[in-house]
Amino acid sequence: EAGVTQFPSHSVIEKGQTVTLRCDPISGHDNLYWYRRVMGKEIKFLLHFVKESKQDESGMPNNRFLAERTGGTYSTLKVQPAELEDSGVYFCASSQVRGWENLFFGSGTQLSVL
Amino acid sequence: GDSVTQMEGPVTLSEEAFLTINCTYTATGYPSLFWYVQYPGEGLQLLLKATKADDKGSNKGFEATYRKETTSFHLEKGSVQVSDSAVYFCALRGGGADGLTFGKGTHLIIQP
Repeated sequence: EAGVTQFPSHSVIEKGQTVTLRCDPISGHDNLYWYRRVMGKEIKFLLHFVKESKQDESGMPNNRFLAERTGGTYSTLKVQPAELEDSGVYFCASSQVRGWENLFFGSGTQLSVL
Repeated sequence: GDSVTQMEGPVTLSEEAFLTINCTYTATGYPSLFWYVQYPGEGLQLLLKATKADDKGSNKGFEATYRKETTSFHLEKGSVQVSDSAVYFCALRGGGADGLTFGKGTHLIIQP
């Protein structure tokens, strides 16, 4: 069974540019989460999808971040325009049911904004 | 708000040494507590969990006990191996919360 897949694995962009991160959850997992780890700080929750609906987006830092999950399958996280402080590792996780014991993480996208 | 504090590394030990990684938390109510591990090049994996006071989570020789009186969930292993080298994250889930609250992570290096 394939795990949670994220791409790109690394992205280097300049301040002001746009970047789109993609997450493919495990097939059949309705719950999809985005997290972010800024260097030297904690992993922070960004948002939670149940199928195509945003269940909780309280962790989204500002309106430069837009997450979508059309069709309830893969999800994208767009940052537009990117700022220096957006640099970090963006993790995606999925679960079959809303519950912590079945949460599977991808290996993350390392975003560097120069 | 909720928060998790864990010792920051890197922590370097010799193979077969005893391991303790401290974790304390601040949360309202009665959170569930977790340890996640991230091996090089991989995503985070759930290592163990505890859902109520005095519960002990265990997996792969690792243990952690939910101590409500000291708000702690320290990770221990009696004899570490080189393959245990990874980053370990302590985390909690508060009542009704969708997301996990993580600590900063502890990089563990085990030398042969």
